[in-house]
Amino acid sequence: AQSVTQLGSHVSVSEGALVLLRCNYSSSVPPYLFWYVQYPNQGLQLLLKYTTGATLVKGINGFEAEFKKSETSFHLTKPSAHMSDAAEYFCAVTASGAGSYQLTFGKGTKLSVIP
Amino acid sequence: DADVTQTPRNRITKTGKRIMLECSQTKGHDRMYWYRQDPGLGLRLIYYSFDVKDINKGEISDGYSVSRQAQAKFSLSLESAIPNQTALYFCATSDWEAGAVNEQFFGPGTRLTVL
Repeated sequence: AQSVTQLGSHVSVSEGALVLLRCNYSSSVPPYLFWYVQYPNQGLQLLLKYTTGATLVKGINGFEAEFKKSETSFHLTKPSAHMSDAAEYFCAVTASGAGSYQLTFGKGTKLSVIP
Repeated sequence: DADVTQTPRNRITKTGKRIMLECSQTKGHDRMYWYRQDPGLGLRLIYYSFDVKDINKGEISDGYSVSRQAQAKFSLSLESAIPNQTALYFCATSDWEAGAVNEQFFGPGTRLTVL
């Protein structure tokens, strides 16, 4: 079984400041990890994913995340926040291996960007 | 045109009514999913289907049923709607390839209110 904990349901940053959204996971097998973004009144869009290999993963819109097995973390960062980054962000995990299919989502973190 | 479409986008109904939410996709994916999103709870899986003849219950299937009419169509029904089924419902699709990690693509959502 897998689970995801996102620390902080709301995060506010100033425009141009570092964005850090925290995600910790629990998984009995090597995980696959995802970050999705949801803009207002829209569905979810994949930002980035970690499967195997390089632990630093780069995604769209300047976001990146680092898989740290020892800390069971997959935090999302962006060096400089833009107003357009205001959205809700979801971390998700699924089990690795053939047939993996079920995403377990965190509860989400709503990011506000202050001008 | 959107790859994953959902109808209706908004629906208000009364307790006890039967409701059907529809999802269509043009991505040619075999796998389809229904999730519900509640504020502060993230997304939870209701049902998923690997192909037309393969339908499975997810985390929260009680009170829901589904129908996979074709590869491209997956409907969610509430046989007798109740107020705590008020939520945002998302359909998603994914491809499947052995050994690969397949992204789920989400529709725009259906906002359902049960009075």
